[in-house]
Amino acid sequence: EVQLLESGGGLVQPGGSLRLSCAASGFTFSNVDMNWVRQAPGKGLEWVSSISGGGRSTNYADSVKGRFTISRDNSENTLYLQMNSLRAEDTAVYYCAKENSVVTIRMDVWGRGTTVTVS
Amino acid sequence: SYELTQDPAVSVALGQTVRITCQGDPLRSYYAAWYQQRPGQAPLLVIYGKNRRPSGIPDRFSGSSSGNTASLTITGAQAEDEADYHCNSRDISGNHWVFGGGTKLTVL
Repeated sequence: EVQLLESGGGLVQPGGSLRLSCAASGFTFSNVDMNWVRQAPGKGLEWVSSISGGGRSTNYADSVKGRFTISRDNSENTLYLQMNSLRAEDTAVYYCAKENSVVTIRMDVWGRGTTVTVS
Repeated sequence: SYELTQDPAVSVALGQTVRITCQGDPLRSYYAAWYQQRPGQAPLLVIYGKNRRPSGIPDRFSGSSSGNTASLTITGAQAEDEADYHCNSRDISGNHWVFGGGTKLTVL
């Protein structure tokens, strides 16, 4: 069974840092592009960042560029999001999501999320 | 603001048909994917590509697209379909993802 399990969320002061992790299982992790998507309280989904299977290519939303860093350890089947200079508006549930590009591209599996509160 | 536009809320009578739409320029180049999100749960992929359903998604869910608009149709809505529905696609550059603001579906 394909599973994603996020961890690392918590309460942090503005300007602080936090590192999120996403443990993957049930598929060949290194072959798959991965994403972080967040959802502020009562709001819609917002794409945050993506990383290619090999880790060489990364992309970021303008709202986090320069403050967040996505990375992965394919030997540990784990995705990371290093979040620095956190702001109140970064408060959200953070989901990791697996991409699937067979036929057409989509995010086909999501984790349960981890909550980040900046206050 | 969101690059894809969705109606904030839609309602449907139990057993009737409802269409939820998503508009935006990226949809002229990319298919939309649709995600169902029940309260307190993670998003669940329900439709992708040209009307494809992941395994386990009921066939009352279907998708279509025309121009800059994608649609999710639920034919014979059930009480358990009450949820938020989000659309997404690649952005025009192809390097980023964009989401709609989500549509809250109420089944009456």
